[in-house]
Amino acid sequence: NAGVTQTPKFQVLKTGQSMTLQCAQDMNHNSMYWYRQDPGMGLRLIYYSASEGTTDKGEVPNGYNVSRLNKREFSLRLESAAPSQTSVYFCASSVSGGPYSNQPQHFGDGTRLSIL
Amino acid sequence: GESVGLHLPTLSVQEGDNSIINCAYSNSASDYFIWYKQESGKGPQFIIDIRSNMDKRQGQRVTVLLNKTVKHLSLQIAATQPGDSAVYFCAEKLGRYGNNRLAFGKGNQVVVIP
Repeated sequence: NAGVTQTPKFQVLKTGQSMTLQCAQDMNHNSMYWYRQDPGMGLRLIYYSASEGTTDKGEVPNGYNVSRLNKREFSLRLESAAPSQTSVYFCASSVSGGPYSNQPQHFGDGTRLSIL
Repeated sequence: GESVGLHLPTLSVQEGDNSIINCAYSNSASDYFIWYKQESGKGPQFIIDIRSNMDKRQGQRVTVLLNKTVKHLSLQIAATQPGDSAVYFCAEKLGRYGNNRLAFGKGNQVVVIP
C-alpha cells in the first residue's frame, strides 16, 4: 500500500519556468492538500480539495494553481516560478475534510524544489 | 493570528529513557490535535491524535496528554530508541469552522543518545 505518492522527488527550475507537481493517493480519501515547508516556518497550506470537484485557497495560495483531476490525484502548478517558491512541497490526504471531521492527514515524502 | 508552538527547539535524551515533548496552543476553539514525526528527507508521519473531549490517549509506546485549561499538549515516548530521533510537531484543527484545516507548529528536534 503506497499511501501518498509525489513526483518528482527533486526538481531545479529557472525563474519564470512552469512546473506541475503530481500527487496521487490510493487510500480512497476524499480530501487532499498541498503544503510547503520552509525552515523555521512549519507547514503552510497552499490549497486544498475537500472533495472531488472542489478546491479552495489555503494560507499561501499566490503563485500557485491546483487541479483535482479525480478522487486519487491532486496536482499543484507553478505557472511562473520565482526564487521565493524554493521549498519542500508536501501533498497530504485525509478520509474527509468537512467541518465536523476529525481525521488525521497522511503525507507523501515531498518534492524538493529549487528555483534559480 | 493564533498559532501552535513548541517550547523546546531540541531535546536530547538517553536511549531507554522517556521523552516528553510539549506544545502550547492558543486557539480555544480547536477540537482536534495530532502529533507527527518527521525524519530527515521524509514526510510527516502520523503518530497519534486526540479529540478535545479527551484528556489522555495511549498508543504503542506513546501517550498524548491534553490540558485544555492551560491549552497544553504533550507527547510522551516511553523507552526512547535511536529510531525515535526526528522532528516532532503538533497540529491543531481550528474548530468546527476549520474545515479540517490544520495549523502546524514549527517542530522540536529529538536526539537520542545511544
